[in-house]
Amino acid sequence: SQQGEEDPQALSIQEGENATMNCSYKTSINNLQWYRQNSGRGLVHLILIRSNEREKHSGRLRVTLDTSKKSSSLLITASRAADTASYFCATRLIQGAQKLVFGQGTRLTINP
Amino acid sequence: EAGVAQSPRYKIIEKRQSVAFWCNPISGHATLYWYQQILGQGPKLLIQFQNNGVVDDSQLPKDRFSAERLKGVDSTLKIQPAKLEDSAVYLCASSSGTPQETQYFGPGTRLLVL
Repeated sequence: SQQGEEDPQALSIQEGENATMNCSYKTSINNLQWYRQNSGRGLVHLILIRSNEREKHSGRLRVTLDTSKKSSSLLITASRAADTASYFCATRLIQGAQKLVFGQGTRLTINP
Repeated sequence: EAGVAQSPRYKIIEKRQSVAFWCNPISGHATLYWYQQILGQGPKLLIQFQNNGVVDDSQLPKDRFSAERLKGVDSTLKIQPAKLEDSAVYLCASSSGTPQETQYFGPGTRLLVL
């Protein structure tokens, strides 16, 4: 089964509003990363938060991590039409080959 | 800096045919990954190379999928024979090698099996 699960699966908001996406995971992690994927394109890395960090900012992005609840959230402030994309959380496992395991993604639509 | 290159971008084949994808990672990146992304899902790791050695291929369907990374640079992923359920986007990614590093993805190859 998937390590990470995003919530909601789809989100539609008006331009200028804030968008919040959540990610839950099951096993211990080294770090958690968020990626964006525009229609028909590859994934672009947005931000990485390590297991000993609780919050991180990058421009209009804010990521939180709660390892006790095994959850993370991605906040995009002042959304723009260009933010329309699918957003994936990916967890770097501690065990084994430390591979990156992706969730199912949240499809975000910004309406003008 | 050039990104991860993949070819072809699109491929349409009939079931039971063979197909191969090519990936050229970012120069100097020791680690190379192949992912399969089925429509509506997140990418699933198929195989991970460290230089030219396999680190993880636990989710690679080895009866039909094979991959190699000769000389620790370019890589090819092959499917033989293809099934309908192999229709997906195949993404190649690379990273500098340490487990904590982020991965850089190519544009992907969209495969349709008829």
